[in-house]
Amino acid sequence: NAGVTQTPKFQVLKTGQSMTLQCAQDMNHNSMYWYRQDPGMGLRLIYYSASEGTTDKGEVPNGYNVSRLNKREFSLRLESAAPSQTSVYFCASSYLYSGAGYYEQYFGPGTRLTVT
Amino acid sequence: KQEVTQIPAALSVPEGENLVLNCSFTDSAIYNLQWFRQDPGKGLTSLLLIQSSQREQTSGRLNASLDKSSGRSTLYIAASQPGDSATYLCAVPEGNTNAGKSTFGDGTTLTVKP
Repeated sequence: NAGVTQTPKFQVLKTGQSMTLQCAQDMNHNSMYWYRQDPGMGLRLIYYSASEGTTDKGEVPNGYNVSRLNKREFSLRLESAAPSQTSVYFCASSYLYSGAGYYEQYFGPGTRLTVT
Repeated sequence: KQEVTQIPAALSVPEGENLVLNCSFTDSAIYNLQWFRQDPGKGLTSLLLIQSSQREQTSGRLNASLDKSSGRSTLYIAASQPGDSATYLCAVPEGNTNAGKSTFGDGTTLTVKP
């Protein structure tokens, strides 16, 4: 199993450019998430998807859009990048142990994005 | 709303010491808690998951405990090594919901000196 994979690993954008961050998991998980991590701010949830075909806003959704293309893939799009979106972006997925009601989460390696 | 706090924010110890990292949460109605390790420039790696029905979970030199009633979890690292230097985060997922969103602490950055 590859687990959770993200592409690209690094990206530099100019203000106003657009790009899509790709994420895929091969663990058949229903739930997927996008976080950003900034120094002093911890991990903040941008968007999440409870299942294929559904997406919901997290704590900091402004300036982003997402697509849950299928059960495996969850992409994050920046339509018009701003310097404030310079960050490290992590994709994650989780498995629900339905009998016990708890989730176990797995993370991708991250994408380092710089917007100049 | 769940809040998760990790104290201290940073910890420096000499090699060989046993140490404890703390994680506190405000809503005790949890299903589980997960401890992660993050190396500089890397993603989060799951270390231990402890269910609400468990008091402890062990993996090698790591032992996680959970006290739901007091809203606390600890991660005990025995005989620390320089390779243990990393940031350790705890996370509390919303259990038994359709999404399992997690609340994370800000982490404790551990430095183990040779």
